[in-house]
Amino acid sequence: AQTVTQSQPEMSVQEAETVTLSCTYDTSESDYYLFWYKQPPSRQMILVIRQEAYKQQNATENRFSVNFQKAAKSFSLKISDSQLGDAAMYFCAYRRGSGGSNYKLTFGKGTLLTVNP
Amino acid sequence: SQTIHQWPATLVQPVGSPLSLECTVEGTSNPNLYWYRQAAGRGLQLLFYSVGIGQISSEVPQNLSASRPQDRQFILSSKKLLLSDSGFYLCAWSVPRAAHAWDEQYFGPGTRLTVT
Repeated sequence: AQTVTQSQPEMSVQEAETVTLSCTYDTSESDYYLFWYKQPPSRQMILVIRQEAYKQQNATENRFSVNFQKAAKSFSLKISDSQLGDAAMYFCAYRRGSGGSNYKLTFGKGTLLTVNP
Repeated sequence: SQTIHQWPATLVQPVGSPLSLECTVEGTSNPNLYWYRQAAGRGLQLLFYSVGIGQISSEVPQNLSASRPQDRQFILSSKKLLLSDSGFYLCAWSVPRAAHAWDEQYFGPGTRLTVT
């Protein structure tokens, strides 16, 4: 079974600084997708960024970028120029690419990010 | 544009009472629908998903059940709640994209359930 591990329960960063959130996963699949979701205090889950495993290029979305290391099964999220609105719980998630119950998202336990002014 | 609604937003129920949480999606047809539970301090756990009316797949055996009576309606139920059913319940939807083989999931605002 696939597992997703976020080893940092909490992180903090100063406003305008850069922070990296870690995520590792375990899978025997070769085709899969990885996601970072943000859950602010409102509890709404918001997709931040996604990465297809077959793509070597790291995904970027404005201030958010990932470092995808397929061999190491690592998928970290880098937030540049941190803003107060970035404060939230961040979840890493995995989804297999094809076959079977490929709709299932497997989530890590989350990292609570605090942004200090 | 597509929107997803959940109600109620909060619910306090005694142990042994029934449960019905509702989720509806607007602005799309034949979505995949999902129920997740988020226990305190934990990530999201997929409970059920549905790819069509009357088609329900269960991920975790428990005293909860799900139904999809209409294309854009997904209901989570229980006949008798347990204390361990307390948590934050999130509904999500996605559009299957066969060409891309991935489907981004969009989440609703959630229901906070407290079983006393």
